[in-house]
Amino acid sequence: EVQLVESGGGLVQPGGSLRLSCAASGFTFSSYDMHWVRQATGKGLEWVSAIGTAGDTYYPGSVKGRFTISRENAKNSLYLQMNSLRAGDTAVYYCAREGSGYLAFDIWGQGTMVTVSS
Amino acid sequence: EIVLTQSPATLSLSPGERATLSCRASQSVSSYLAWYQQKPGQAPRLLIYDASNRATGIPARFSGSGSGTDFTLTISSLEPEDFAVYYCQQRSNWPPKYTFGQGTKLEIK
Repeated sequence: EVQLVESGGGLVQPGGSLRLSCAASGFTFSSYDMHWVRQATGKGLEWVSAIGTAGDTYYPGSVKGRFTISRENAKNSLYLQMNSLRAGDTAVYYCAREGSGYLAFDIWGQGTMVTVSS
Repeated sequence: EIVLTQSPATLSLSPGERATLSCRASQSVSSYLAWYQQKPGQAPRLLIYDASNRATGIPARFSGSGSGTDFTLTISSLEPEDFAVYYCQQRSNWPPKYTFGQGTKLEIK
């Protein structure tokens, strides 16, 4: 079964750091571009970061310089290092796979909650 | 930055009726547009990619159309499980940036 399972969420103080992990199974992880997408409670979806099969990375302006996406193909794992966290970063963070050749997210994890609060 | 605007914000219909959801892009995205369904407490599910291609396992009552800046998701005959929030999404060419519409809530009338 194709599956993504996130972990690492929790409560962190403003200015703090957190590292999220995503374990992939059921497919050849190294062959896919991978992403993080977040959703604040009651709000819409926001793309947070992407990493290509060659390790190239992309971010929107809202997190660039604070968040770092990485992957470890030998462990079928995706990561998101989040630094200088703000209250506005509070959200459920989803790991998602980009479907091969079609610029959309075809597999999603169940999400992990990140709360930034003092 | 390409902005996606979905309408209406809320759509109230009854089971068996036809639903038409709209997504408009601030500039052309060619056919690179996707649609997702999200139910409370669940992750989004991909319905349509490349504007009109159904994802694996998606029922035929879901269809997508459009190109350029105007796109439509149509549900031909609503089933009870179709009441949810729907999002459109695009990827800009370079540098790659992915954006979502604000969502349309499809609710039971």
